[in-house]
Amino acid sequence: DTGVSQDPRHKITKRGQNVTFRCDPISEHNRLYWYRQTLGQGPEFLTYFQNEAQLEKSRLLSDRFSAERPKGSFSTLEIQRTEQGDSAMYLCASSATASGGYTFGSGTRLTVV
Amino acid sequence: GQNIDQPTEMTATEGAIVQINCTYQTSGFNGLFWYQQHAGEAPTFLSYNVLDGLEEKGRFSSFLSRSKGYSYLLLKELQMKDSASYLCAVSLSGGYQKVTFGIGTKLQVIP
Repeated sequence: DTGVSQDPRHKITKRGQNVTFRCDPISEHNRLYWYRQTLGQGPEFLTYFQNEAQLEKSRLLSDRFSAERPKGSFSTLEIQRTEQGDSAMYLCASSATASGGYTFGSGTRLTVV
Repeated sequence: GQNIDQPTEMTATEGAIVQINCTYQTSGFNGLFWYQQHAGEAPTFLSYNVLDGLEEKGRFSSFLSRSKGYSYLLLKELQMKDSASYLCAVSLSGGYQKVTFGIGTKLQVIP
């Protein structure tokens, strides 16, 4: 078990471009979460999957954001028409149970220029 | 909604003890997590309290009072490597027990 993997670690993109991030959770974890974190803030919830079903999506997410977990394993987070305000660390986490602690990936740091 | 309050910054001396407080107001509280996050890295799980009382895990202990909406993280025998942000996070009852994070307390350990 190699933990939660995220790819890429860093992404610099021009405003208006689309970006996609990938998360590979711990294999036996059926719960997967995406959070966003800006400097000096705690992680903010974006969306939650249980297996392949997206059960909750934050109102923080505009329609430019979409996430998928097609086979209940890895997940992707896509941001369309990026804006400078999208610059942040995007964290993926997984857990086996509702009360278990999350295991976070190392995150993808997005910089929109 | 949920409201989680914790100090933004603290400084403590190597070898000392520090207590990081967290208060919360939520609708439907289930439990409280503490995470450690070093600069530029992902948060790592420290503790999870559901019942009132103190839970000790090595140099770290976490306390919860559900009736007061209050928790603290106690770090003993501070080491320089303990310099990090400490995130208080609340899980809500019902559904999948959504976790909401506070802004974190940045702890600086000085020699």
